[in-house]
Amino acid sequence: GAVVSQHPSRVICKSGTSVKIECRSLDFQATTMFWYRQFPKQSLMLMATSNEGSKATYEQGVEKDKFLINHASLTLSTLTVTSAHPEDSSFYICSARDETSGGYTDTQYFGPGTRLTVL
Amino acid sequence: KQEVTQIPAALSVPEGENLVLNCSFTDSAIYNLQWFRQDPGKGLTSLLLIQSSQREQTSGRLNASLDKSSGRSTLYIAASQPGDSATYLCAFWMTTDSWGKLQFGAGTQVVVTP
Repeated sequence: GAVVSQHPSRVICKSGTSVKIECRSLDFQATTMFWYRQFPKQSLMLMATSNEGSKATYEQGVEKDKFLINHASLTLSTLTVTSAHPEDSSFYICSARDETSGGYTDTQYFGPGTRLTVL
Repeated sequence: KQEVTQIPAALSVPEGENLVLNCSFTDSAIYNLQWFRQDPGKGLTSLLLIQSSQREQTSGRLNASLDKSSGRSTLYIAASQPGDSATYLCAFWMTTDSWGKLQFGAGTQVVVTP
């Protein structure tokens, strides 16, 4: 099946710093990628939809100036957590839609996730 | 707003037993349903995708059904193995949302004991 990678897998940073997380589709092109956040023992919550060549679409309640998303190519989307604080500590997962089949039958493939800890 | 409920929240069974995981939803305007597996601290692995026009999908020991009229989907795992231990998530694509926007349930944590 299709592979989506994330880098880094873990990151620990000090409060106030910025952290960049990369999401890559390795063997397919994706005009649309998604960024999710997951707290312990809770489900995934969609943060934003990343669109290649245009601005990301953020879900209600997600601060777009804090979570910067850039989808610079058909295989790469980045999420930058700016001025991170301890409450931003979470598991961040990206997914990419394989659009080969077209339409609603597309399958999403998920990355392995990035564990962010802000001290 | 779609409400997605997964019951039970946790389940422990001895090896060899069949697993039945339930997912219920309130809004029948779903387009696709997808079942995922998540291992601790890991990303998601897609197990089965059911389109709204279908009633079930099968892959090996896994079978997933979809009943839109009752707002329910069920994942069956036959002859469970310790390797099946993981959290299982159901997710929906809504026709009212943009393509690919998934709404997830909270998951069922499964432990299969040897």
